[in-house]
Amino acid sequence: KAGVTQTPRYLIKTRGQQVTLSCSPISGHRSVSWYQQTPGQGLQFLFEYFSETQRNKGNFPGRFSGRQFSNSRSEMNVSTLELGDSALYLCASSPLAGGFNEQFFGPGTRLTVL
Amino acid sequence: GENVEQHPSTLSVQEGDSAVIKCTYSDSASNYFPWYKQELGKRPQLIIDIRSNVGEKKDQRIAVTLNKTAKHFSLHITETQPEDSAVYFCAASSGVDSSYKLIFGSGTRLLVRP
Repeated sequence: KAGVTQTPRYLIKTRGQQVTLSCSPISGHRSVSWYQQTPGQGLQFLFEYFSETQRNKGNFPGRFSGRQFSNSRSEMNVSTLELGDSALYLCASSPLAGGFNEQFFGPGTRLTVL
Repeated sequence: GENVEQHPSTLSVQEGDSAVIKCTYSDSASNYFPWYKQELGKRPQLIIDIRSNVGEKKDQRIAVTLNKTAKHFSLHITETQPEDSAVYFCAASSGVDSSYKLIFGSGTRLLVRP
């Protein structure tokens, strides 16, 4: 099976802009979780989608949003970008609930906000 | 809120020695504890996990122990090899009903000196 893919791999934006990141899970996986990774902070949970429904949300401002399509592909949107949003954004897919089963990570999208 | 603390943040060992990484969690309802390894520039990958009804689990040179009373769990790597050098993340599930999310520790950078 093909692994989790994310597009784009690299992104440079300026403050105030918005960005959309895409994640294609492993075929058959219904859960997609998103994480923000920054040096020293580990992986911070953003949200999880399962069968097109947001099941869980982390402690991020409303500027961070997401959605999942019927084919389980997921997108994450960040509006009004701030310098502190610069990070590696990882998505992970799982056959069932992401918080209780192995998650398979994508390669990440590295976002730089100037 | 939910929190997972991980120690140490960096660990340097001689090849062949053992390495131990410790994590504590705050949510007493947590029942799933995975460990992920992230090599430089690569995506995190699950190396071992343990569920709350088990106190210890081994897989070749890797073992994880869980103490639910004390709310801490540890990763033990024996006979370390240079290829074990990576960042290791612990995580604990947190949530209610069937809606769980993974809370990650901040990571341990392990360096195995040849």
